[in-house]
Amino acid sequence: RKEVEQDPGPFNVPEGATVAFNCTYSNSASQSFFWYRQDCRKEPKLLMSVYSSGNEDGRFTAQLNRASQYISLLIRDSKLSDSATYLCVVPSPGGYNKLIFGAGTRLAVHP
Amino acid sequence: NAGVMQNPRHLVRRRGQEARLRCSPMKGHSHVYWYRQLPEEGLKFMVYLQKENIIDESGMPKERFSAEFPKEGPSILRIQQVVRGDSAAYFCASSPPRGRKNIQYFGAGTRLSVL
Repeated sequence: RKEVEQDPGPFNVPEGATVAFNCTYSNSASQSFFWYRQDCRKEPKLLMSVYSSGNEDGRFTAQLNRASQYISLLIRDSKLSDSATYLCVVPSPGGYNKLIFGAGTRLAVHP
Repeated sequence: NAGVMQNPRHLVRRRGQEARLRCSPMKGHSHVYWYRQLPEEGLKFMVYLQKENIIDESGMPKERFSAEFPKEGPSILRIQQVVRGDSAAYFCASSPPRGRKNIQYFGAGTRLSVL
């Protein structure tokens, strides 16, 4: 089993739609989680951090289910500018700040 | 406050040559990380350094790859005798010495192409 698994997509949605991505992780000792956004051929940019059960920032909501070892990202009222690859990221619980990236979920928002 | 600076942005090398990738962390950050992203894949951790120390190199290939973060100057990722399989995007990230260390800020990357 991969350490961090994501549905690769692509998710093709119209503007204004609500879309949700799931991510599962294998190590139950993981304590913190991140969603990064990566545009084509660009660097990953931090979107949200999740340290407890969830986090909300505007149109974006992240939820954590420790029992099932999955994290979700919900995007409401999708904009064209939301088109990107969304990376689920879990720090290695062994320490030393190593980040483990999922392969990413591609989102395409169309008019 | 400038972000993480990487150069060059693009690097072309022939098989057998050496590649040197440079990374200057954000001001005030003393932790540097290198990640590699192969085409159509996720980022993979390579190495974590602090000034003059390699903390975790568990993701570095055993041969041809080395990294340093000297007391003065940028962090360097060095790849000797490059092969076609080294073609990838190499991202550097940095984090501050205190606070939530897990939050890492990424540079724009160096795209290495091996001919």
